[in-house]
Order: sequence, then C-alpha cells, then structure tokens
Amino acid sequence: AQSVTQPDIHITVSEGASLELRCNYSYGATPYLFWYVQSPGQGLQLLLKYFSGDTLVQGIKGFEAEFKRSQSSFNLRKPSVHWSDAAEYFCAVGDGGATNKLIFGTGTLLAVQP
Amino acid sequence: DAGVTQSPTHLIKTRGQHVTLRCSPISGHKSVSWYQQVLGQGPQFIFQYYEKEERGRGNFPDRFSARQFPNYSSELNVNALLLGDSALYLCASSSGQGSGYTFGSGTRLTVV
Repeated sequence: AQSVTQPDIHITVSEGASLELRCNYSYGATPYLFWYVQSPGQGLQLLLKYFSGDTLVQGIKGFEAEFKRSQSSFNLRKPSVHWSDAAEYFCAVGDGGATNKLIFGTGTLLAVQP
Repeated sequence: DAGVTQSPTHLIKTRGQHVTLRCSPISGHKSVSWYQQVLGQGPQFIFQYYEKEERGRGNFPDRFSARQFPNYSSELNVNALLLGDSALYLCASSSGQGSGYTFGSGTRLTVV
C-alpha cells in the first residue's frame, strides 16, 4: 500500500536560513506528489506538485521540491525562510487509482525564530 | 472566483447526534473529495464524488455518508456521533485527475 513518511515532526530554523523538509513515499509506479501548507485553524494550500517531467519543481512562495526516484523522496526546500513560513507542512502522494485520492504524511511543524 | 467554500466553519455536537457538513467546489470543478483531519495527524480520505457518483470511499464506518448535487456541491453526513469524530473536516475540489486538489478551510467539528 502507498504511504508517506515525514520523519521530522518539528523543525525550528532561524529567519533567513535555508530549509529542507524531508518526505519519503512508498509507491509502485511514478507517483503524483504534492506539498501542502497549513496555517493554524486553516485548510491546506498547495505549494507545488509533481506529475512528470522535470524532477525539480518550482512552487509558490519561493519553495521548490526535487523528485528523486532512486531515493523515493520528494524533499521541500527554500533558500531563505521568512517568519511567515511558520506553519505545518504536509507531503502527499496520489494513489493513482480511479480517485487518485491523496495519502498524506503526518506533517512537519515549522517554527521560525528571529 | 471563489475558492472551495465550506459551512459551517465550527460546530459543537453531542454524542449520538447527527451532523451535516456542506461544501461548494470551485466553479467548473466536478470532483469533490472529503477528508478528516484529527489533531496532530495528516488528513485521511473519506469520500470522493464525481458527476454525482461515488468514486471512492476510505476506511470509515457506514455512519459516514455523502452525496453530490447537480450543481456539484456536496454534503457529508455523520450519524451517531462519537467523541472520536471530533476533527477538522476538509473538502477538496478538482477539475480532473491530473490537476491537483484545492482545499477549503474546513469545518471544525467538536463532539462532546
């Protein structure tokens, strides 16, 4: 069965520092991969998605992610974090079935310190 | 254009009661999915509807049901509420399999 692992439950970075959030997936074929961000009490906002093609994907708010098939990873990166990036980040894989429902990881909570 | 809208935003129910949550997708989106997000966890898939037909169902008991209307809006119904049903219920709409999903802000359900 498909699954997503986000090994870091909580990460704290300084404002202006670089960021990398890890995501590993288990999936038999080429996956549909997503990163979403959730602010407290809010819904999910799509940061970026990978379906096929270039393995380095650019998203909104200066985020990017790289699909590495050999490592079954889809890590999210940002070169310089802003205080407004503090939120919870979810990696998800589409299951590829009739619904292509999303299977989410447990999330990484990002704190940004001044 | 309006995004995915959900109502109500918050509600409190008593164990054993019934609840109906509502979702309006983005204009032109024919697919609506429902997810449950328990505190501290990622969202879990409940249902997907496309063109008023159920396309998929997650591992949830029969107390959970849903439907989609001709205007593509959707309702999620939960009967015989349990304390464990307390969660953020998210609705997502999509225009097709390759287009990704847009989520609403959710309905926060508290069962007491």
